[in-house]
Amino acid sequence: QVQLVQSGAEVKKPGASVKVSCKASGYSFTSYNINWVRQATGQGLEWMGWMNPNSGDTGYAQKFQGRVTMTRDNSISTAYMELSSLRSEDTAVYYCARYDSGWFDPWGQGTLVTVSS
Amino acid sequence: DIQMTQSPSSLSASVGDRVTINCRASQSISTYVHWYQQKPGKAPKLLIYAASSLQSGVPSRFSGSGSGKDFTLTISSLQPEDSATYYCQQSYSTPDSFGQGTKLEI
Repeated sequence: QVQLVQSGAEVKKPGASVKVSCKASGYSFTSYNINWVRQATGQGLEWMGWMNPNSGDTGYAQKFQGRVTMTRDNSISTAYMELSSLRSEDTAVYYCARYDSGWFDPWGQGTLVTVSS
Repeated sequence: DIQMTQSPSSLSASVGDRVTINCRASQSISTYVHWYQQKPGKAPKLLIYAASSLQSGVPSRFSGSGSGKDFTLTISSLQPEDSATYYCQQSYSTPDSFGQGTKLEI
């Protein structure tokens, strides 16, 4: 079945960077964009950006421009999202999701990133 | 950027009730709206895509309607397992955006 499996929880200090991985299985990894969405505790869903695994092209939400980098390793069907200059407001669950003609399906299980001194 | 506004923010209903959740876009977006269900501690799950198409495996008590600016998610006969937060999402233009969510209690 189509599945996205993300890396485990991270604890980072303010100013550090975090890199979250998202391994795809059950479909052709290069045929669908991967998007990243985050959710702070008790809050709604916030779209961060997209990556085309075939071309490597990316597009980021303006809010994250300059701090986020989305990459991939097609040899292992894995997408990555790196967020730098972390601050406490970046504490959230980060999700990857396959983008299919406009909708997100499926989603990874989520990765909790905690930013704390 | 397109803003998506859901109403109500929360509601309480009983098993067997018919429930509707609304989503309004800040501009006309045709049928580029999708609905998700999220249970506590879990990732969102796609229910409805392109405003009214039922995702495979989703119970038929879920349905979606609307076009332009106004959209509705309907649950025809509420079940206990439908307790969750529901989100709409637009894909008409980048950046994709979500409504703020509707928390449904049974």
